[in-house]
Amino acid sequence: GQQVMQIPQYQHVQEGEDFTTYCNSSTTLSNIQWYKQRPGGHPVFLIQLVKSGEVKKQKRLTFQFGEAKKNSSLHITATQTTDVGTYFCAGSKGFYGGSQGNLIFGKGTKLSVKP
Amino acid sequence: DTGVSQDPRHKITKRGQNVTFRCDPISEHNRLYWYRQTLGQGPEFLTYFQNEAQLEKSRLLSDRFSAERPKGSFSTLEIQRTEQGDSAMYLCASSLWGSPDTQYFGPGTRLTVL
Repeated sequence: GQQVMQIPQYQHVQEGEDFTTYCNSSTTLSNIQWYKQRPGGHPVFLIQLVKSGEVKKQKRLTFQFGEAKKNSSLHITATQTTDVGTYFCAGSKGFYGGSQGNLIFGKGTKLSVKP
Repeated sequence: DTGVSQDPRHKITKRGQNVTFRCDPISEHNRLYWYRQTLGQGPEFLTYFQNEAQLEKSRLLSDRFSAERPKGSFSTLEIQRTEQGDSAMYLCASSLWGSPDTQYFGPGTRLTVL
């Protein structure tokens, strides 16, 4: 079945350092979503990427969707302690791929930031 | 607060008991999803409703699990004869018909089966 792999599993950084997490799908995706889950919290929607090669920015966060629509990345510039949490990518095959909104989540990258 | 709400937030039960969870989606969202999340894993899809119709079920949803959304608003997820392996966070999410993959999650119900 469809799988979404995410690396690294854990990342420990010093405050101010950059952070990147990578997401790879075994099949072509219609779109990809990114979520952040704080410790003890629930996944919070960050962004959706739809177009091949798309790049979107949210302040210090940069999201990319690969040309083949099989991979994605999230880059955080100059991390802050408020960035702590687990970042999940979630792919969809879309309506024409037979998806009704069944998101396939990666296992997430847990980010810790040392002040 | 107009986000997704879930009740209860925590449930502790003994093996073999039945439990029921409730989810209230964002009011204008007609799609509602149930996911399960265990420690160190991403959410796993269980089932999905469009209005009151249950349109998709994962093979993770055994015969002991049943979900309903009778009036197309709130939904319930029932687990019968709970097993220790059912211990997990049960998350509900909702979305608009036009943007099915932009899903907003509730705070979840953490189930512990003793």
